[in-house]
Amino acid sequence: DAGVIQSPRHEVTEMGQEVTLRCKPISGHDYLFWYRQTMMRGLELLIYFNNNVPIDDSGMPEDRFSAKMPNASFSTLKIQPSEPRDSAVYFCASSLGLSGANVLTFGAGSRLTVL
Amino acid sequence: AQSVAQPEDQVNVAEGNPLTVKCTYSVSGNPYLFWYVQYPNRGLQFLLKYITGDNLVKGSYGFEAEFNKSQTSFHLKKPSALVSDSALYFCADSVNAGKSTFGDGTTLTVKP
Repeated sequence: DAGVIQSPRHEVTEMGQEVTLRCKPISGHDYLFWYRQTMMRGLELLIYFNNNVPIDDSGMPEDRFSAKMPNASFSTLKIQPSEPRDSAVYFCASSLGLSGANVLTFGAGSRLTVL
Repeated sequence: AQSVAQPEDQVNVAEGNPLTVKCTYSVSGNPYLFWYVQYPNRGLQFLLKYITGDNLVKGSYGFEAEFNKSQTSFHLKKPSALVSDSALYFCADSVNAGKSTFGDGTTLTVKP
């Protein structure tokens, strides 16, 4: 398996533009997570899905952020409109099951810079 | 409640020396504890985990961690550090994968 695949790896955009980040989880994993990493706030869980259904979106910062998972092999995180404070590395992760013993497998991340 | 703390932002060791990266936890009930490593421009990679059983857990790349209930600690260790071990290390605890709490991370630098 190629692991969790994220695209784009780097995105530079201007304030007000729409940003779409993409994720392909590991085949067979039934949970998908979106995290955001910044120097100030560390690693934050934004939202997670189970079998394509959003379970907990309490970490989504505001209405400008939305996430979808139309099928088991694809998810998107969208920011519209983007702001400079959204600049961060966004990680997608997947796991098989939700037990506390389950390991998260992370993608390489998408580094977003909003000018 | 659950939380982990990594008291050191930075750890510097010489190659060949033993290394320790510290983590303490505050979890009600039985903790599930993890160590992940992040290399530059990469995602977090799983190193090892403690669920139950033997307090000494062995993981990838020669790393191990000792679960100490009395001190509520789960320090990461390696007997002989390599320059290639230089990375950002995260301790995490988990009630379930959806509720994993990560520490702030410790940057390990191993100098030749």
